[in-house]
Amino acid sequence: DAMVIQNPRYQVTQFGKPVTLSCSQTLNHNVMYWYQQKSSQAPKLLFHYYDKDFNNEADTPDNFQSRRPNTSFCFLDIRSPGLGDAAMYLCATSREAGGPDTQYFGPGTRLTVL
Amino acid sequence: GQNIDQPTEMTATEGAIVQINCTYQTSGFNGLFWYQQHAGEAPTFLSYNVLDGLEEKGRFSSFLSRSKGYSYLLLKELQMKDSASYLCAVRDSNYQLIWGAGTKLIIKP
Repeated sequence: DAMVIQNPRYQVTQFGKPVTLSCSQTLNHNVMYWYQQKSSQAPKLLFHYYDKDFNNEADTPDNFQSRRPNTSFCFLDIRSPGLGDAAMYLCATSREAGGPDTQYFGPGTRLTVL
Repeated sequence: GQNIDQPTEMTATEGAIVQINCTYQTSGFNGLFWYQQHAGEAPTFLSYNVLDGLEEKGRFSSFLSRSKGYSYLLLKELQMKDSASYLCAVRDSNYQLIWGAGTKLIIKP
């Protein structure tokens, strides 16, 4: 089945220790998104890629970086995680950025910062 | 600024009907989405409205009034598995999704 896969599902890191979260998709969608979601809050868009074009949200901290080496894979790097970065990180894809194209989400990676 | 408002929490009874409202103020409008999110899981797509009116899909229906900046999600014949958060999201003029914080729906037997 075509899908969005995120690894790992649960990640524990130490304060200040870099961590990388990964996302892959078999949908062959052009657009990939990274969201941060904290408990009982709306998902917050961090970045998105339209193909290889990178789009950074204005309020995304510099501590967060992203890479998309090819159509299928996208990575979220947190260079120096703080306690406030503990959250669920959601990867999503869509075929295009507009129209009725919906976003398909992966299962998420829950990040704990000790 | 851009804003999506939904009730924080609602309670309903198994077998009943519930309506979850969403009001929005965004820079432009290119469609409204409803997603379901079970605790600890990713959101899953429920419905899409871009024109005024009602879209029906099985037990779930979604309504849109663009002039009022208003939508609702109607859930019929509620089942225990419908206990989840329901998120309203609007695509703005830049084709970005603006998300509400979600409505936690609690179903009681």
